Amino acid sequence: DARVTQTPRHKVTEMGQEVTMRCQPILGHNTVFWYRQTMMQGLELLAYFRNRAPLDDSGMPKDRFSAEMPDATLATLKIQPSEPRDSAVYFCASGLGSGRAYNEQFFGPGTRLTVL
Amino acid sequence: EDQVTQSPEALRLQEGESSSLNCSYTVSGLRGLFWYRQDPGKGPEFLFTLYSAGEEKEKERLKATLTKKESFLHITAPKPEDSATYLCAVSSGYSTLTFGKGTMLLVSP
Repeated sequence: DARVTQTPRHKVTEMGQEVTMRCQPILGHNTVFWYRQTMMQGLELLAYFRNRAPLDDSGMPKDRFSAEMPDATLATLKIQPSEPRDSAVYFCASGLGSGRAYNEQFFGPGTRLTVL
Repeated sequence: EDQVTQSPEALRLQEGESSSLNCSYTVSGLRGLFWYRQDPGKGPEFLFTLYSAGEEKEKERLKATLTKKESFLHITAPKPEDSATYLCAVSSGYSTLTFGKGTMLLVSP
């Protein structure tokens, strides 16, 4: 059963600490997305990659957020330093990026981040 | 800029009481309209993609339809297990989706 996996599922940290979230996309998917979900804003796109290359990170506060894909099976999202306003659920999604269903995205279970 | 508005924000139904959720969109060149289901504490689960006006897709008690300005998710004879938040999204580019805020559906036994 092919699924997107994310770790950790929950993270509680103090303001100013570094947070790293990890995502393993579905094998064979070449597009990877990072979203943030809050009650107020809903789902917001932070960044996305195609074939491991970053295509758009305009949704991220660049002074503190960074996203990378060290290899095809791992995507990371880092926040340094973290702030209370970063508290949210962070989702990773992946997609085939080709064929008629090229823009269908499949989501992981999310990382619930709480910054105290 | 793509925009998606979903209504109502919340909907409460009795088991067996059919209804529809609405997704209105503004997009420059629709490349796809997507429906997702999200259960509490979980990631959105893909349901349907619609590509052109007039297209319809069905899955169990759910049927999605598309016009040039909106999409409807019809729920026929819902059951309590259909309770979830239903998200609509559109794509006008090559990969990215713009999501609505969702409709929270509660089906009571």
